[in-house]
Amino acid sequence: QTLVTQEPSFSVSPGGTVTLTCALTSGSVSTNYYPTWYQQTPGRAPRTLIYSTNTRSSGVPNRFSGAILGSKAALTITGAQAQDESDYYCALYLGRGIVLFGGGTKLTVL
Amino acid sequence: QVQLQESGPGLVKSSENLSLTCNVSGFSLSFGFYWGWIRQPPGKGLEWIGNLHPKGTTYYNPSLESRVTISMDTSHDRFSLNLKSVSAADTAVYYCVRRGGNPSLFDSWGQGTRVTVSS
Repeated sequence: QTLVTQEPSFSVSPGGTVTLTCALTSGSVSTNYYPTWYQQTPGRAPRTLIYSTNTRSSGVPNRFSGAILGSKAALTITGAQAQDESDYYCALYLGRGIVLFGGGTKLTVL
Repeated sequence: QVQLQESGPGLVKSSENLSLTCNVSGFSLSFGFYWGWIRQPPGKGLEWIGNLHPKGTTYYNPSLESRVTISMDTSHDRFSLNLKSVSAADTAVYYCVRRGGNPSLFDSWGQGTRVTVSS
């Protein structure tokens, strides 16, 4: 059974840069998996940050960027701000209509 | 702007069926796109449940496929989730969503509805 893995937690200093990753337990992530990144704050529905690997959703600040780094999808926050403290989820398309979410990364900004 | 709103019982007894409805406004289901459901157990991550296109194509999470049905009423711009024989593991916030231009992009979300399965 294929799983999508993310770092459970990460910490970054205000103004710092952090890269969160999204990997498959079997195989490499490529653009064919349409990596999408979501941000979720407590009690709220997720918000789309990045789709199709590296396209920012409308209204998303340009400090958020997406890429494929090696065998993983990656979300980089450059110049982290306090309001970026959230849970971040990646989603991958596995084919035949099936989507799989990663377990999420809890990002702390301090 | 498309808006989605879930409705349904907040409490379901174990072994019974869960039924939720999503009412869509600002967009007609008959125009296309896939529509579906995602859930999030308390303190846990997101789980994709399935999608349905108004032309009839459905996709379900293989882990839930035997218990899930998603249906649509385009005349009333609403779609529904039916989950059979629930257990405590089905306790979650359930979100209705619109799938956007690529298969892992969910570009519109309802606010979510909390469902608790009681024994």
